[in-house]
Amino acid sequence: QKEVEQNSGPLSVPEGAIASLNCTYSDRGSQSFFWYRQYSGKSPELIMFIYSNGDKEDGRFTAQLNKASQYVSLLIRDSQPSDSATYLCAVRNYGQNFVFGPGTRLSVLP
Amino acid sequence: GAGVSQTPSNKVTEKGKYVELRCDPISGHTALYWYRQSLGQGPEFLIYFQGTGAADDSGLPNDRFFAVRPEGSVSTLKIQRTERGDSAVYLCASSLAAGAETQYFGPGTRLLVL
Repeated sequence: QKEVEQNSGPLSVPEGAIASLNCTYSDRGSQSFFWYRQYSGKSPELIMFIYSNGDKEDGRFTAQLNKASQYVSLLIRDSQPSDSATYLCAVRNYGQNFVFGPGTRLSVLP
Repeated sequence: GAGVSQTPSNKVTEKGKYVELRCDPISGHTALYWYRQSLGQGPEFLIYFQGTGAADDSGLPNDRFFAVRPEGSVSTLKIQRTERGDSAVYLCASSLAAGAETQYFGPGTRLLVL
């Protein structure tokens, strides 16, 4: 069974700090990896995606992928209270459908 | 243009009843996905369409669930003989094509089965 695992949190960080969110996946056939943000009562919205091993940066966000370890992470620099949300990791294989993790709740404290 | 829309936004029904949930994707998007999200969980894949055909329906939990997309645009998720365990938020997402990275989610339909 294909699984994506995340710590449910909550992860609390002070404003201005780096938040580090982690995700592991079981299917070695996974091809692409996604991070979504979901505010309470709202729908998920895509933050960024990554295909290749290494780092990918987009503004304050950096996604890191290590396929050998089946591990993907999201770093949020200079965290703001508005970053407080649930962060969902998702993976996609050749089948084109997405498998989501349970999400990690992040709380950025002013 | 407009985003993905879903109707109704809330649906309360009694156990055993039939419900239909509608999704209107972004115009021109050929791929459409249905998910179910329970409280505290991530979205659970149900089915995805490429055009009019269901490309992958492996996530439908049982034969009470069925979805159609007859003209390759609007999709309807149909649930027969609803059970209390079907209570969840049903999310629809669309993307430009099946391989596109960006899915755009609708606001969801919150289904409550009493």
